[in-house]
This record gives sequence, structure tokens and C-alpha cells, in this order.
Amino acid sequence: EVVMTQSPATLSVSPGERATLFCRASQSIGSNLAWYQQKPGQAPRLLIYSASTRATGIPARFSGSGSGTEFTLTISSLQSEDFAVYYCQQCNDWPPYTFGQGTKVEMK
Amino acid sequence: EVRLVQSGAEVKKPGESLRISCQGSGYTFTNHWITWVRQVPGKGLEWMARIDPTDSYTNYSPSFQGHVTLSIDKSIATAYLQWSSLKASDTAIYYCARRFRMVQGVLDFWGRGTLVTVSS
Repeated sequence: EVVMTQSPATLSVSPGERATLFCRASQSIGSNLAWYQQKPGQAPRLLIYSASTRATGIPARFSGSGSGTEFTLTISSLQSEDFAVYYCQQCNDWPPYTFGQGTKVEMK
Repeated sequence: EVRLVQSGAEVKKPGESLRISCQGSGYTFTNHWITWVRQVPGKGLEWMARIDPTDSYTNYSPSFQGHVTLSIDKSIATAYLQWSSLKASDTAIYYCARRFRMVQGVLDFWGRGTLVTVSS
């Protein structure tokens, strides 16, 4: 099973600042990585797939990069609605398509 | 509009059986696998299993194999997750999600979740 490790666990950021989240896979997964956003009391929402492709309707301030074992999600200028928990998921090796443990982005 | 409507919250006792549902609408149900994801309150996401609505072919995570069963009723565009004998550790929110057709493993639409509470 591929283990996904996210860092940091919590990221404190002020509105308008840049946020950078990291995700590492225990073995190479190519570009087969997705990012999801989850707000309290809501289901996760797909942000990014194939490491760097934004899903439909996702603002351009969200960008993804990386391949192999190291991946990054960047939010260029944090908006109030972006404070949430973010999960990465490997989509290369199944079963299962494992998730990271999440990074909480909170207001500084 | 794509929607996945899940059944309501359940409260059960250990050892009881349960089936929860996920009804798809706004798209061709048989074109997209359905995946189930568990989330213990306050914790992260766990990929459980998936089912192909076309032929009911399933894949289970080793962590859930033998403890849950997936099924489909194509006639009403509904997927089911069931337990024959619940444990307290099954207390969680269970999400169904639709597989994004373009890329394996990616989940592009999610239901709102069903909270299952197992307590004596």
C-alpha cells in the first residue's frame, strides 16, 4: 500500500498570503495525484487531478505541481473561503487509492 | 446537475446489520464507478471500496475486505454499502463518490455523507 504523508499538519496563514502544502508518496506514483478540499460539515471537493490539472470551476489561485514522490499544492492568495482541510490522494496503485492525513489551513 | 443523494443518519448497536444507500442523478449512472470513503469524526479520509454499476464488479481495500459489501441496483441508480455485523469502530461518516471518468481513482462528485453511530 502506498503511504501518503502530508506536511505540515497545520498551516497558519493570513488572508492574501500564499499557502504551500506538501504531499509525499512512499513510492513513485508518476503524476497520479489528486487534491481535495474539505470544509467543516461538508463533503470533500475535488480541486486538482493528475498533479496539476484544475478541476472544473476551481479558481486559478489553486495550483498543483510535482511528480514521482513529491507534490505541492499552492494557493497563491488565500481567500477567507479557502480555510479548510486539504487532502492529497494517490491514484496510481490500487487497492486502495490512499489519502494523506490532511493539512489544516487556518487563519493566522 | 450531478447529485449523489445519501440516506440519513443511523444509530445501531454492535452486532446489528445495516445498509446505507447512495442514489445518483443528473448523469448516466452506469458510466461512473462509485467509491465509498470512510471518515471517522475529526479524522482523515479512508478509501474503502469501489463498484462498477455496469456489472457490479467490486474492489475492496484490504482493510475493509470481508467486513463490508457493496451492491448496485441499476434500475434506480443506487449504490449500497452494507454490514452484516457492526462494530463500535464502524462509527464514522461514510461518503459515496463518483469516479471521474477521465482519470482513474479521482473522485469528482461526492455525496453529503451518512453518519453511522454504533453504540451499545
